[in-house]
Amino acid sequence: EAQVTQNPRYLITVTGKKLTVTCSQNMNHEYMSWYRQDPGLGLRQIYYSMNVEVTDKGDVPEGYKVSRKEKRNFPLILESPSPNQTSLYFCASSLSGQNTGELFFGEGSRLTVL
Amino acid sequence: QQQVKQSPQSLIVQKGGIPIINCAYENTAFDYFPWYQQFPGKGPALLIAIRPDVSEKKEGRFTISFNKSAKQFSLHIMDSQPGDSATYFCAASSPWSSGSARQLTFGSGTQLTVLP
Repeated sequence: EAQVTQNPRYLITVTGKKLTVTCSQNMNHEYMSWYRQDPGLGLRQIYYSMNVEVTDKGDVPEGYKVSRKEKRNFPLILESPSPNQTSLYFCASSLSGQNTGELFFGEGSRLTVL
Repeated sequence: QQQVKQSPQSLIVQKGGIPIINCAYENTAFDYFPWYQQFPGKGPALLIAIRPDVSEKKEGRFTISFNKSAKQFSLHIMDSQPGDSATYFCAASSPWSSGSARQLTFGSGTQLTVLP
């Protein structure tokens, strides 16, 4: 089954404790992206990757890091989480950078930073 | 600065009603306008999309109306059902150019409830 898998789905952590949210897709997609969803703000892009070893900032990259060492994986790293990073996070992928209007999303990771 | 403005924030209709969700954009370079549907506990999923060279697109009970001169587009759901209860996001995509990705800008979302 074609899917984007995120882990963990739920996480409660404390300020400053580094964490990583993993994302993996099995569709051989070139393009991957991270979004955060907050009430009244819709989906805002954090980082994206056009292909292996190619990443770039989205609209709200502060406080986040990403890497793309393999085509299928695109982890999101919070080096020192803060309460304003409490949010619902989505990983998404598409066939290529040309097709980002047709995104496939994971089921989300709800993060709470105390 | 929000480039895609979506309204209303929430909408409640009776079964069989026709909910309408509106979006307005500012960037005239946008050339692809998808709508995503999100059920509770799930990620958004592409529902229907339109390009600015057409004024309307229908897929089943879902219709997008597009007004290029007004820079507005809307989603209509005919004969709405309780199973249509979800959050709907409009979006707009910038053109693709070699070496860069299309960037997708989302509206703020509309939570639709269809009462039985």
